[in-house]
Amino acid sequence: ETGVTQSPTHLIKTRGQQVTLRCSSQSGHNTVSWYQQALGQGPQFIFQYYREEENGRGNFPPRFSGLQFPNYSSELNVNALELDDSALYLCASSRLVDRRPGELFFGEGSRLTVL
Amino acid sequence: DAKTTQPPSMDCAEGRAANLPCNHSTISGNEYVYWYRQIHSQGPQYIIHGLKNNETNEMASLIITEDRKSSTLILPHATLRDTAVYYCIVKGTGNQFYFGTGTSLTVIP
Repeated sequence: ETGVTQSPTHLIKTRGQQVTLRCSSQSGHNTVSWYQQALGQGPQFIFQYYREEENGRGNFPPRFSGLQFPNYSSELNVNALELDDSALYLCASSRLVDRRPGELFFGEGSRLTVL
Repeated sequence: DAKTTQPPSMDCAEGRAANLPCNHSTISGNEYVYWYRQIHSQGPQYIIHGLKNNETNEMASLIITEDRKSSTLILPHATLRDTAVYYCIVKGTGNQFYFGTGTSLTVIP
């Protein structure tokens, strides 16, 4: 039990639609990261938020966007969904200490299927 | 961040020690070695991390070679619940953890 909760756990969308995924961070953590995990692959970094601002981004297009709120909860938004966006989306919280990220604590993920 | 190489799969008998190797020959001086595992359909779970000294916690031990070019994660008494994909990650001060494809460990009764 990591204290990181994600919603919804499963959802189905069609191509071209938009989706919002939500994450509640572990208490005391100031950083939230989002990862995409396709079937049979390891998680891939999408972006990280610290103090409500994007603090690093992986190789994902601008239609992937996010928000971090003052209570450190977060959203991942994906516009214009494509079939390849079908994946498990993982949220992870951590504490930034001396500019070095601590270990990540992951939620159970939101499984998105795009038809 | 340096890349890592892990065997794609391993088996281990229940009750025996599971030794999972990882090569990271391009690691630099300020990069840490992290291990995570992912049980099917769950989020990855942090196991342990280290810089150059061997580390031990309630879950596992991490042995890092003196030249830091490889490491071994040791689960001292593997149980069926340790069946999972294990990821070795080398991490500097950047934001992202590169997970790779990991080692799929199967603990056999």
